[in-house]
Amino acid sequence: GENVEQHPSTLSVQEGDSAVIKCTYSDSASNYFPWYKQELGKRPQLIIDIRSNVGEKKDQRIAVTLNKTAKHFSLHITETQPEDSAVYFCAASKARGSTLGRLYFGRGTQLTVWP
Amino acid sequence: DTGVSQNPRHKITKRGQNVTFRCDPISEHNRLYWYRQTLGQGPEFLTYFQNEAQLEKSRLLSDRFSAERPKGSFSTLEIQRTEQGDSAMYLCASTAGLGQPYEQYFGPGTRLTVT
Repeated sequence: GENVEQHPSTLSVQEGDSAVIKCTYSDSASNYFPWYKQELGKRPQLIIDIRSNVGEKKDQRIAVTLNKTAKHFSLHITETQPEDSAVYFCAASKARGSTLGRLYFGRGTQLTVWP
Repeated sequence: DTGVSQNPRHKITKRGQNVTFRCDPISEHNRLYWYRQTLGQGPEFLTYFQNEAQLEKSRLLSDRFSAERPKGSFSTLEIQRTEQGDSAMYLCASTAGLGQPYEQYFGPGTRLTVT
């Protein structure tokens, strides 16, 4: 099965700085990579995703990059704000066979943005 | 509210009791997933339905767990003879589309505490 590793487990940045979270995956058949933000006691919220036919995707202050050869993808948050503080999860999924759409999650990164 | 809903939001039960959780997916989403999340971890896949058919079950889903999705709409997850190790947040997610992974939207979860 798929194995998703996520680093770092905790990340502290000053407001306005950039934050980068990195993930690797093991199954070359994985072709969909979402990122979720989870605030304490709340549901995971999809913030951005990327498919394997794309190398980079941006949405305002958030960007995701994918390197299929190296099997790693990263989340970049620029101009961080205190409200960005949360746990961020990366995940991987694939379209093949009976595991269609099942998400394999990383262990999460606790991002803290200091004002 | 047109998002994924789950009931109850919190459940406290004594060891050995049975519990049942309900998930109402986004209308017309044909795929529904159950995940379990423990403190400090990413969600872990439990089972998945496409319409009313249960297509995959994780090895995490022991014979004390059963899930249904009658008529392909809402789903229920039942845990029989609960154990303290079952204490976790149980999350439901739904998605539309066939053939490729699509965005999964999560419900608020049911937090189970087994005493």
